[in-house]
Amino acid sequence: DAGVIQSPRHEVTEMGQEVTLRCKPISGHDYLFWYRQTMMRGLELLIYFNNNVPIDDSGMPEDRFSAKMPNASFSTLKIQPSEPRDSAVYFCASSLVPPGALSTDTQYFGPGTRLTVL
Amino acid sequence: KNQVEQSPQSLIILEGKNCTLQCNYTVSPFSNLRWYKQDTGRGPVSLTIMTFSENTKSNGRYTATLDADTKQSSLHITASQLSDSASYICVVKKTGGYNKLIFGAGTRLAVHP
Repeated sequence: DAGVIQSPRHEVTEMGQEVTLRCKPISGHDYLFWYRQTMMRGLELLIYFNNNVPIDDSGMPEDRFSAKMPNASFSTLKIQPSEPRDSAVYFCASSLVPPGALSTDTQYFGPGTRLTVL
Repeated sequence: KNQVEQSPQSLIILEGKNCTLQCNYTVSPFSNLRWYKQDTGRGPVSLTIMTFSENTKSNGRYTATLDADTKQSSLHITASQLSDSASYICVVKKTGGYNKLIFGAGTRLAVHP
């Protein structure tokens, strides 16, 4: 399996522009997560899906952020309009089983998208 | 407040030496604790997971310990290698859903030849 695939790997954009990050989870995984990582705040959960349905989006910073999962093999995280404070590494992760399944509820992370908003 | 504190923030050791990373938490109710390794430019990868009843768990040269009474965990790396250079993140999960993960800020380890 190729693991979690994210694109693009790097994105540089100007303030006010729309940014779309893409993720393909591991085949068969029912859970998909979007995280943001910064030096100041570390890893933060933004939103997660179960069977394509958003379960918890309380980590989404504001209305400028939106996430969709139109099918089991694809998800997007969109920022519109982007701001310099959105600069971070955005990770997508997927998991096979429900939370609490001890050693098997491992999340598998993608390589991340490094976003720079000028 | 649910918190995970890691120390040291960064560490430099020579190849072949051992080191120990610390994680203290105040998360409740506790479900499990994981250590992740994150190489530069990559996503985190799970190293070990421990539940309340487990005191130690090994994964090759990595050994994690957990003291649920004092709410402390450590990750011991034996005979370090250059490839161990990475950030190590402690993550504590509360009972409940995936939104119950509390992440530490990580320890950045550099192994020098």
